[in-house]
Amino acid sequence: GIQVEQSPPDLILQEGANSTLRCNFSDSVNNLQWFHQNPWGQLINLFYIPSGTKQNGRLSATTVATERYSLLYISSSQTTDSGVYFCAVVASSGGGADGLTFGKGTHLIIQP
Amino acid sequence: EPEVTQTPSHQVTQMGQEVILRCVPISNHLYFYWYRQILGQKVEFLVSFYNNEISEKSEIFDDQFSVERPDGSNFTLKIRSTKLEDSAMYFCASSAQGRNSPLHFGNGTRLTVT
Repeated sequence: GIQVEQSPPDLILQEGANSTLRCNFSDSVNNLQWFHQNPWGQLINLFYIPSGTKQNGRLSATTVATERYSLLYISSSQTTDSGVYFCAVVASSGGGADGLTFGKGTHLIIQP
Repeated sequence: EPEVTQTPSHQVTQMGQEVILRCVPISNHLYFYWYRQILGQKVEFLVSFYNNEISEKSEIFDDQFSVERPDGSNFTLKIRSTKLEDSAMYFCASSAQGRNSPLHFGNGTRLTVT
């Protein structure tokens, strides 16, 4: 199946810093989503971005489908941004009801 | 904004007992999914469901698991005889058009098997 690699695995930053999280995937995709898992375990959908660039407030994401990677940018980090960020994809080669394959996540800690 | 809702939020059960986890997907969605996340690990796909039948399932989804859409709104995951290693967060998700549309996740049910 498709492989999803996220980097870095862990990231510790001071409040106000910017960060870039990366997601590499091994095959072409129909679906790519970024999630934030908060300390209560909830998966918060950040972006649906199989290609192109999107922005939502301090967060933005870019997927370069031809090169099989996606980037999540967080600007002016706040302590509430702490948590695990997951990238998840659906391979183009699969069936219509294929589920997302998740990466292992980036554990982000924002210190005050 | 419509949400996927899951109940209960926490469930504690004894090994060998049956549990049923419940989900109400977004009303106009056609594809339904269950995922599992063991504490500290990544989210793993269990099963997808479309047109009243299982479409895809992972190796994790063995004979002790089953899914059902008993009416027009609920989607359930049953674990027949729970094991200690079934302790995890279970997420339900739904999407309008399967792989060509975003999946929307519920808040999860934290299952603890003792």
